[in-house]
Amino acid sequence: EPEVTQTPSHQVTQMGQEVILRCVPISNHLYFYWYRQILGQKVEFLVSFYNNEISEKSEIFDDQFSVERPDGSNFTLKIRSTKLEDSAMYFCASSEWAGGRNEQFFGPGTRLTVL
Amino acid sequence: QKEVEQNSGPLSVPEGAIASLNCTYSDRGSQSFFWYRQYSGKSPELIMSIYSNGDKEDGRFTAQLNKASQYVSLLIRDSQPSDSATYLCAVTNAGGTSYGKLTFGQGTILTVHP
Repeated sequence: EPEVTQTPSHQVTQMGQEVILRCVPISNHLYFYWYRQILGQKVEFLVSFYNNEISEKSEIFDDQFSVERPDGSNFTLKIRSTKLEDSAMYFCASSEWAGGRNEQFFGPGTRLTVL
Repeated sequence: QKEVEQNSGPLSVPEGAIASLNCTYSDRGSQSFFWYRQYSGKSPELIMSIYSNGDKEDGRFTAQLNKASQYVSLLIRDSQPSDSATYLCAVTNAGGTSYGKLTFGQGTILTVHP
């Protein structure tokens, strides 16, 4: 069964460093998303991406964040200058969104630890 | 602020019983409703989607939606210890003003004891 994959599974970085989180969405899906979950808290929406551009973003997704689909399979989230409060699980999700049904399937996540 | 509210639990049921999980949402424009299961340290796993008022059954799971009351629920019949997890309610206004952004509740912790 097709699934969303993410790499790395765990990323440790120093405050102020740049990190790139990678995702490979399900191959026939056209809508891509990033969410994050701080330990013990709700899953929070960051950004949605369709047709090579951002379609919606949350107030969390400020100028230090960017997304890119550099080729036909990868979808990346870049955090330019990490802060301690960026420590969280980051989930990529994708959706086919056919017939008005927007079921989103999540990858296994990347645990980001900022020291 | 568009909110999704769930009882955080924990909800404890004996094996074989029915577990009932509830969720309310504030955005009347919400059009799609989902239940995800999340095991500790893992990612959300989609288990049910519902788009119109009424009941939708899939195996041991039944989702119920009442848009007038802004209420969605999940029933798990014949609960098993493997059902022990956090259940996340998520809603979206996809197709309305949203491009599919999911708004999640804080989750209900379910424990099924043998």
